[in-house]
Amino acid sequence: EPEVTQTPSHQVTQMGQEVILRCVPISNHLYFYWYRQILGQKVEFLVSFYNNEISEKSEIFDDQFSVERPDGSNFTLKIRSTKLEDSAMYFCASRLSYRANSPLHFGNGTRLTVT
Amino acid sequence: DAKTTQPNSMESNEEEPVHLPCNHSTISGTDYIHWYRQLPSQGPEYVIHGLTSNVNNRMASLAIAEDRKSSTLILHRATLRDAAVYYCILRDRSGGGADGLTFGKGTHLIIQP
Repeated sequence: EPEVTQTPSHQVTQMGQEVILRCVPISNHLYFYWYRQILGQKVEFLVSFYNNEISEKSEIFDDQFSVERPDGSNFTLKIRSTKLEDSAMYFCASRLSYRANSPLHFGNGTRLTVT
Repeated sequence: DAKTTQPNSMESNEEEPVHLPCNHSTISGTDYIHWYRQLPSQGPEYVIHGLTSNVNNRMASLAIAEDRKSSTLILHRATLRDAAVYYCILRDRSGGGADGLTFGKGTHLIIQP
């Protein structure tokens, strides 16, 4: 069964550094998402992406964050200058259709640790 | 997304059925009921969804009350692998769109061997 893959599984970085988290969504999917989950807390929506532009973003997704689909397969999340509070699991997701009954398929996440 | 209410945790024994409740008293006529789960150290995983009728798939069954103000996810024969946090989420059929799911705290299901 096709799946969403994320790399790396664990990223350690120093405060103030830039990080890029990578995702390969399911190949025929059209809608792409990033979520994060701080340890022990809820899964939080960050951003959705369709047709090479952001469709919706949450308050968390400020100017330090950006997303890109640089080619036909990858979908990336960049954090320009990491802060300690950016430490979290970051999940990528994709879905085939805009319809509300079209499920999201999630990757297993990248654990980001900012020191 | 409309609000849902789930118990914080539930416990069940292996190989027994599990019924996970969800209240959604403010559900609108166009809301789908979706269930996802999150196994330890993994991303959320789609389980099942429904609109009005009960639904079955290889993972679970979804029983929807006649007034749609509540639903129950049924795991027919729980295994240790089913220990996870289960999320009940409403999705507006009329909106659809690209917006993301809103996760609550879900129900932490503990399976005893």
